[in-house]
Amino acid sequence: SQQGEEDPQALSIQEGENATMNCSYKTSINNLQWYRQNSGRGLVHLILIRSNEREKHSGRLRVTLDTSKKSSSLLITASRAADTASYFCATDAKGGATNKLIFGTGTLLAVQP
Amino acid sequence: ETGVTQTPRHLVMGMTNKKSLKCEQHLGHNAMYWYKQSAKKPLELMFVYNFKEQTENNSVPSRFSPECPNSSHLFLHLHTLQPEDSALYLCASSQVGEVSNQPQHFGDGTRLSIL
Repeated sequence: SQQGEEDPQALSIQEGENATMNCSYKTSINNLQWYRQNSGRGLVHLILIRSNEREKHSGRLRVTLDTSKKSSSLLITASRAADTASYFCATDAKGGATNKLIFGTGTLLAVQP
Repeated sequence: ETGVTQTPRHLVMGMTNKKSLKCEQHLGHNAMYWYKQSAKKPLELMFVYNFKEQTENNSVPSRFSPECPNSSHLFLHLHTLQPEDSALYLCASSQVGEVSNQPQHFGDGTRLSIL
C-alpha cells in the first residue's frame, strides 16, 4: 500500500537554523502536500507540489519533489520557536481519487529559542 | 479559525454508550472527511463524502456510522466502542472539482477516550 514515511521522526534545532524533513512514498502520485500540526490542534496545509514540478517555494518554506526516487523534502529556513510542530506529507494515488490522501507518520520538529 | 468546527473537543465514554461527533464547515466546500489519529500511527482516512454522497469507507468497523445531511455538516455516530478506538478524530473539508487536489482544511479534532 502507498504510505508516506517522514524522516527523521524527530528533529531538534536552535532558532535561526534550517530544518529539513524528508518524505518517501511508494506509488505514482498526482500531487504531494505538506501539512503541519501544532500540539492539540488540527492539520494546517502548507504547500502542494504537483508531480510535474521539481521545486516550490512559499515564504520560508522550500519543497522539492523527485518522482524518480519517490521522495520529497521540506526545508524551513531561519526557523523560529513558533515553527515547533509535527510536519506530515500526504500523497494521492495516480489514477485514484485525487482527494483521497495518504499521510505519513510525521516529523516532530522542536525549535529551541 | 480554520473554518471547520468540531464538537465536542473532548469526549469520555464507556464501551456501551452511544455518542455522536459533530463537524461543521463554513468554507462552502463540497467534500468532507473523517480521519482517525492514533499515537505513533499515520493519520487514517475513515470516510469521504463528496456532494453528500459517501464515496469511501476505508474498512471502518460498523460501530462507527457516518452521516452527512448536507454539504456543511458531518456526523460520526459512535456505538459500542472498544478501548483501541481511543484517538483524536479529525474532520476535514475541501473543494473537489476540475482542479485536482485542493488543500484539505481540518478542524481541531475531538479527543475520544473509551473507558
